[in-house]
Amino acid sequence: NAGVTQTPKFRVLKTGQSMTLLCAQDMNHEYMYWYRQDPGMGLRLIHYSVGEGTTAKGEVPDGYNVSRLKKQNFLLGLESAAPSQTSVYFCASREQGGAGELFFGEGSRLTVL
Amino acid sequence: AQSVTQLDSQVPVFEEAPVELRCNYSSSVSVYLFWYVQYPNQGLQLLLKYLSGSTLVKGINGFEAEFNKSQTSFHLRKPSVHISDTAEYFCAVSRAGQGNLIFGKGTKLSVKP
Repeated sequence: NAGVTQTPKFRVLKTGQSMTLLCAQDMNHEYMYWYRQDPGMGLRLIHYSVGEGTTAKGEVPDGYNVSRLKKQNFLLGLESAAPSQTSVYFCASREQGGAGELFFGEGSRLTVL
Repeated sequence: AQSVTQLDSQVPVFEEAPVELRCNYSSSVSVYLFWYVQYPNQGLQLLLKYLSGSTLVKGINGFEAEFNKSQTSFHLRKPSVHISDTAEYFCAVSRAGQGNLIFGKGTKLSVKP
């Protein structure tokens, strides 16, 4: 019963370094999402995908890129990390359609020094 | 566009007391409404959702919420809370039948013995 798995769970970067967060889901969901969570800000949508090979911008996409080469995986990349990207990142997935429950991973805590 | 406002950022309450967490939304179209809960160092999980039909929705762990279209509210209630209900609660809205979830900024419920 893996559900949504995020790797890594913790990472410390220096300003300007790059990294990729991996999200994998085993529920055959069409839709996948990347959110960031900051204190007092709730969850803000970074990018999302409605199917393999598709991606779209969310509310706060600047400084991030994503790819969905396989249906089960959704990658979030930071090309040149900045301290403002220190956050907890959550991946989520759901079935096609608007009524489906979002299933979340456990989060990836990123610190940029 | 949809938006959601959670009126209280923190709610302290004693064990076995009733609690209400308030959520208001704005939208010019029909919406779906959700409450998610986040326990410390975990991802979010669905408590309950309103799609259509009965305005009183029952969820897990004894929580319920009432959809009030005239007041554009979807308040979450529990008649008697437990220490284990200590968590952050998020209200979310999406356009009915489509669209991404828009989350509120969260309400931290702290249950004291």
